[in-house]
Amino acid sequence: QVQLVQSGGGVVWPGGSLRLSCAASGFTFSSCGMHWVRQAPGKGLEWVAYIRSDGGDKYYVDSVKGRFTISRDNSKNTLYLEMNSLRAEDTAVFYCAKDLTWSLDSWGQGTLVTVSS
Amino acid sequence: QTVVTQEPSFSVSPGGTVTLTCGLSSGSVSTSNYPSWYQQTPGQAPRTLIYTTNTRSSGVPDRFSGSILGNKAALTITGAQADDESDYYCMLFMGSGIWVFGGGTKLTVL
Repeated sequence: QVQLVQSGGGVVWPGGSLRLSCAASGFTFSSCGMHWVRQAPGKGLEWVAYIRSDGGDKYYVDSVKGRFTISRDNSKNTLYLEMNSLRAEDTAVFYCAKDLTWSLDSWGQGTLVTVSS
Repeated sequence: QTVVTQEPSFSVSPGGTVTLTCGLSSGSVSTSNYPSWYQQTPGQAPRTLIYTTNTRSSGVPDRFSGSILGNKAALTITGAQADDESDYYCMLFMGSGIWVFGGGTKLTVL
């Protein structure tokens, strides 16, 4: 069965950096686009980033452009989100999700990122 | 900036039918937006219910259905059950590598 296991969350100072990971199993990772989605405390879901199966195309929500980088290592079946210049408003639970025809299929368990001094 | 609109809250009686909608602040939702629907209970990761307008995700009961109604995407729950009480989010593909979620609908079953 499809599994997405996330790691890498935590507490970071404003302006700091953090890298999230999402280890995939149970499907052909190298054939699937992948997304990151976040949810601020008490708020709704927000799509953050997408990467094509071969890593060739990457897209971001405007609020993270230039600060976040989505990447993948198909040899390790792992998706990443590198987050720099973090702000208080980036505090959220981050989810990775597998793309299925421009929708989100399976989801990771979520990892909390807290940006605070 | 495109806003995806959903009813903030909705209430349904057990066994009843409810239709939640997903619209655009400007324009109409079509199948080209690949509407999808997600269910989320507090503290849990979202669960995919519907993708590409009306395809149920694996394991989703057939009392959940998706459609286009007029200029909006719609999620219909037929025979609502107590454990359907959740937050429901729609997401639209806007093209050019952009996806947008609606603000979510809090569904109460009582």
